Amino acid sequence: QLVESGGGLVKPGGSLRLSCAASGFAFNTFTINWVRQAPGRGLEWVSSISATGSYIFYADSVKGRFTISRDNLKNSLYLQMNSLRAEDTAVYFCAKDPFDIWGQGTMVTVSS
Amino acid sequence: QSVLTQPPSVSAAPGQKVSISCSGSSSNIGNNYVSWYQQLPGTAPKLLIYENNKRPSGIPDRFSGSKSGTSATLGITGLQTGDEADYYCGTWDNRFDWVFGGGTKLTVL
Repeated sequence: QLVESGGGLVKPGGSLRLSCAASGFAFNTFTINWVRQAPGRGLEWVSSISATGSYIFYADSVKGRFTISRDNLKNSLYLQMNSLRAEDTAVYFCAKDPFDIWGQGTMVTVSS
Repeated sequence: QSVLTQPPSVSAAPGQKVSISCSGSSSNIGNNYVSWYQQLPGTAPKLLIYENNKRPSGIPDRFSGSKSGTSATLGITGLQTGDEADYYCGTWDNRFDWVFGGGTKLTVL
């Protein structure tokens, strides 16, 4: 399973670090993704990182502001979010490739 | 505005069949596998179909997927009230990496 944490309320321009703890599968052999869902909106892929961390991709909407990373020894995935904007307000899910296991999500609210 | 186009809503009666379309282009659906996800209210998405038409273990055969050219379709037969949910298609896009459709709300009347 996957369990996200680290969400909360942050002011515009602020930073937040999300975590995703994995268990029950060989974490170090799978690409993991971050997907977000703004209130009342659809799913938006945010970022992905390959099993060894060699390949990293970002959606244009977060490129240059968000950084994905992983620690395979701790079976954990991270998303460092900087320069946050109101439009980043969403539930953030981590999901194992091929999107067959999802966490329950953690809410990020960017508001003054 | 997603690069994958889905109808905002569909509806059908219990026991009936419904189809949900997902339209894309040669940069996404036309050259890549399509997946489908079910999101029940207040929950995380769940994988229903992968690689166009394969079902993960535990997904009933009432759910099916198909792809033709730059479009894909999710079919659901024997509709149940528990099928009321939002449904999303997803695929790799050569320009934008991974993309999801805008989602379709299924109402079982």
